[in-house]
Amino acid sequence: AQTVTQSQPEMSVQEAETVTLSCTYDTSESNYYLFWYKQPPSRQMILVIRQEAYKQQNATENRFSVNFQKAAKSFSLKISDSQLGDTAMYFCAFANAGNMLTFGGGTRLMVKP
Amino acid sequence: GAGVSQSPSNKVTEKGKDVELRCDPISGHTALYWYRQSLGQGLEFLIYFQGNSAPDKSGLPSDRFSAERTGGSVSTLTIQRTQQEDSAVYLCASSWGVAGGPKNIQYFGAGTRLSVL
Repeated sequence: AQTVTQSQPEMSVQEAETVTLSCTYDTSESNYYLFWYKQPPSRQMILVIRQEAYKQQNATENRFSVNFQKAAKSFSLKISDSQLGDTAMYFCAFANAGNMLTFGGGTRLMVKP
Repeated sequence: GAGVSQSPSNKVTEKGKDVELRCDPISGHTALYWYRQSLGQGLEFLIYFQGNSAPDKSGLPSDRFSAERTGGSVSTLTIQRTQQEDSAVYLCASSWGVAGGPKNIQYFGAGTRLSVL
């Protein structure tokens, strides 16, 4: 079974600054996918970024990028130029070929003006 | 539709009553998932439908929980004889269902908040 751990229950960052959210996972599989989802107060989970385990290159999406360390089973999310709209819960998630997601416990991010 | 739609948005029920939660996936998506989000347990997988295959029910917490998907589209999650510990947000997601590639991205609805009194 897979496990996903987010060690930071809460974080805060000043607007326009950079913040990094941590995620580690445990699996015996070699082919899998990792995701970061954002959940604002509206409750709807929104995909932030996705990484295929077989790709060495770190995924980037505008202000969001990941640091994927496969050997260390680490998948951190960096948010650059933080904006007030980035305030939300962030969930790290793992999916194998079976596709169902295993989520971490979440990190509540507060962006302060 | 444009996105995954769930109804009702909120549901309050009395202990012992049955409830039905509905999910309308994105048109064309063959895979549909139910998850539960609760304070104590975080986000948990419940059940997964892929096309016409038998659903993966490995995440259902008890036999009071069941789900069906009619015509490969709309799904209903049923909880019988609700208990207070069933109080949670129930999230539905859908995807193209193809393992690998961007088509396995799951798109979520806004969830149903269930409160059992």
